Amino acid sequence: GENVEQHPSTLSVQEGDSAVIKCTYSDSASNYFPWYKQELGKGPQLIIDIRSNVGEKKDQRIAVTLNKTAKHFSLHITETQPEDSAVYFCAATPSNQFYFGTGTSLTVIP
Amino acid sequence: NAGVTQTPKFQVLKTGQSMTLQCAQDMNHEYMSWYRQDPGMGLRLIHYSVGAGITDQGEVPNGYNVSRSTTEDFPLRLLSAAPSQTSVYFCASSFLRENIQYFGAGTRLSVL
Repeated sequence: GENVEQHPSTLSVQEGDSAVIKCTYSDSASNYFPWYKQELGKGPQLIIDIRSNVGEKKDQRIAVTLNKTAKHFSLHITETQPEDSAVYFCAATPSNQFYFGTGTSLTVIP
Repeated sequence: NAGVTQTPKFQVLKTGQSMTLQCAQDMNHEYMSWYRQDPGMGLRLIHYSVGAGITDQGEVPNGYNVSRSTTEDFPLRLLSAAPSQTSVYFCASSFLRENIQYFGAGTRLSVL
């Protein structure tokens, strides 16, 4: 099956700085790469996604890049705010199964 | 439109007991899935379904059964609970074509 690795496991940034989270995947058949944000005590919520026919996607302060050749994709959050503090998960989907990374706990320091 | 609803929110079981975790969605999604979330391990797929009457195994199916008799409901059954099944369980659903999964709020299960 697919193997998704996510780094770093924890990340602390000052408010207003940028945060970058990176994931790698192993199955070249993966064609959909979502990012989820999970706040304490809640279920994950999709924040942005990218499909394999696109190299970059942006939504306000959040962007995702995909390098299919290297099999890695990254989440970029600019101008971070305290409400961005949460656990972020990447995932890869080679078929009908979603494979998740182990998560990054982001803390934005006011 | 309630989205994905999971019940119960919390449950404590004794080893060997059985129970069913309920999941319902009102978005007419074909795809439904169950995950377990353990510290440091992300979310791991237990079982999934691409439509009523169709189910398949995910990464960690042992000890769990599912059925999909309707589009709306996808219950997860623990036949004989073990302490290793202590976890937070999430149900999710999506349109097959879009892949965008909507998650429920989770069920926190402790097996003593």
